Amino acid sequence: EVQLVQSGAEVKKPGEALKISCKGVGFSFTTYWIAWVRQMPGKGLEWMGIIYPTDSDIIYSPSFQGQVTISADKSINTAYLQWSSLKASDTAMYYCARHVDLDPFDIWGQGTMVTVSS
Amino acid sequence: DIQMTQSPSSLSASVGDRVTITCRASQGIRDDLGWYQQKSGKAPKRLIYAASTLQSGVPSRFSGSGSGTEFTLTISSLQPEDFATYYCLQHYNYPQTFGQGTKVEIK
Repeated sequence: EVQLVQSGAEVKKPGEALKISCKGVGFSFTTYWIAWVRQMPGKGLEWMGIIYPTDSDIIYSPSFQGQVTISADKSINTAYLQWSSLKASDTAMYYCARHVDLDPFDIWGQGTMVTVSS
Repeated sequence: DIQMTQSPSSLSASVGDRVTITCRASQGIRDDLGWYQQKSGKAPKRLIYAASTLQSGVPSRFSGSGSGTEFTLTISSLQPEDFATYYCLQHYNYPQTFGQGTKVEIK
């Protein structure tokens, strides 16, 4: 079955670092871009950025540039989203989705809930 | 950045009603637009891509139309399982951008 499997929910304190993951299963990971999408509680979907695991080409939304780091390890079909110093305002559900121009955002991960609270 | 203006932000409708949701792009995006359904606590699910192509397995009561700057998602006869939030997404250029969402509620 084709799927994106995300890492589990996280509870962190402000200032802590975090790296969450998104693993591609059942498809050729390196032929797709992997995007990250934020959904704050009760709010809409926000496009954060996207990576092409084949060569780690990355494009960030200006709103998230410098706030997060997107990376990937193509040897294990996994993309990552990381923070060096979390803030309470990073509390949200984070989704990954695979993308290619002819078949955009067809498969989504189940989401990773990140809670940042002192 | 391309702004996607989605309307209405919410609507109340009855089972069997015809529902139309609109997305307007701040500049032309050809047909590089998809529609997504999100139910409470779940990941988004693709309904339509390339503005009007129905995702395999999605009921035919869903349809999409438009090109350039104006797009519509139509549900021809609303069913109980269709109560959800709907989003458009443009992938014409980066950053890709979502509409603000339309919450479809039961009247």
